Amino acid sequence: AQRVTQPEKLLSVFKGAPVELKCNYSYSGSPELFWYVQYSRQRLQLLLRHISRESIKGFTADLNKGETSFHLKKPFAQEEDSAMYYCALRSYNQGGKLIFGQGTELSVKP
Amino acid sequence: NAGVTQTPKFQVLKTGQSMTLQCAQDMNHEYMSWYRQDPGMGLRLIHYSVGAGITDQGEVPNGYNVSRSTTEDFPLRLLSAAPSQTSVYFCASSNDRENEKLFFGSGTQLSVL
Repeated sequence: AQRVTQPEKLLSVFKGAPVELKCNYSYSGSPELFWYVQYSRQRLQLLLRHISRESIKGFTADLNKGETSFHLKKPFAQEEDSAMYYCALRSYNQGGKLIFGQGTELSVKP
Repeated sequence: NAGVTQTPKFQVLKTGQSMTLQCAQDMNHEYMSWYRQDPGMGLRLIHYSVGAGITDQGEVPNGYNVSRSTTEDFPLRLLSAAPSQTSVYFCASSNDRENEKLFFGSGTQLSVL
């Protein structure tokens, strides 16, 4: 079964510290993975997608098929990074729907 | 463009009442979907539609109905509200050809007493 697991409900770091939000997936096939973010009082929005291999707001995420992971990383966290982060997997077995993880709340303290 | 518009933003229901959550998008997106967001559960797909006249069930469809009579609108109906349906509901849409980026509404916070 397709599944996305984010093991941490809350991750708290200090400003300037490195941050890594973990995401593991279960999928039989070539996965497409995404990170979505929800800032306080804003809509959920796409942060980045693995096929683009892009860096958005200093965040990067590398797909590791061996470890079935898609961890989100940033070398120096900023207070404005505080938000709820969701990892998502596109399931072509289910009509291309996105399957979301449980979410990780990132809190960056001054 | 307004994007994805959800109404109402807040709603309180009594057990057994029915209501419809409205969702409209003005981007001519083929794909629309409804999610519920619960603490520790993330976003779970309720129903989705790949075009007008076509709907399908997601992960947690029980207690909800949908219809897609137009490309723009995708209402979610609660037939007989239960406390377990207390949640935040999000509508989302995407361009079917890309189907890589979901555009979300601002959400509806629903409490069932």
